[in-house]
Amino acid sequence: AQSVTQPDIHITVSEGASLELRCNYSYGATPYLFWYVQSPGQGLQLLLKYFSGDTLVQGIKGFEAEFKRSQSSFNLRKPSVHWSDAAEYFCAVGASGGSYIPTFGRGTSLIVHP
Amino acid sequence: NAGVTQTPKFQVLKTGQSMTLQCAQDMNHEYMSWYRQDPGMGLRLIHYSVGAGITDQGEVPNGYNVSRSTTEDFPLRLLSAAPSQTSVYFCASSYSAISRRGSPLHFGNGTRLTVT
Repeated sequence: AQSVTQPDIHITVSEGASLELRCNYSYGATPYLFWYVQSPGQGLQLLLKYFSGDTLVQGIKGFEAEFKRSQSSFNLRKPSVHWSDAAEYFCAVGASGGSYIPTFGRGTSLIVHP
Repeated sequence: NAGVTQTPKFQVLKTGQSMTLQCAQDMNHEYMSWYRQDPGMGLRLIHYSVGAGITDQGEVPNGYNVSRSTTEDFPLRLLSAAPSQTSVYFCASSYSAISRRGSPLHFGNGTRLTVT
């Protein structure tokens, strides 16, 4: 069965610092991978997705993620964090066989200090 | 574009009461689903549907019913509310469950439910 691990429950960074949120997945074939962001009181919004091709994908709000097959990872990065980036971030993997039911990680809460 | 619309935004129930959380999407999405979000637990799938007339159970279906009579609507029914069902509920949809497996989910803004 597919699974997603986000090892960090909370991450604290200073505004302007770089950010990397970790995501590791378990799946036999090449997965579909997603990062979502949830602002307080809101639903989840898609940041970016990886299906195939270039392993470095660009998303909205200046985020990017890199797919590394050898490490089963899909880490999210941003070179300079803004206070408005404070939110909950979820990594998800979508199945490539059978019915499509994505699996979500438990989320990483990003705290941004001024 | 309205996207995915959930009502109500907030609800307080007493133990044993029943209610229906509404979810509607205007994107002609085949796949719709319900999640609950609890602190430290992430998102847990309650029920899902791959098309009108088809529903199936997710990870935590007990105490909830769903139906999908139209493509647009996917209501979630709490049969007899319990304090353990206090949570934030999200409805999500995507284009297709089968032919477009990479379709991302579109989420509503959630319903915050408290059961006393």
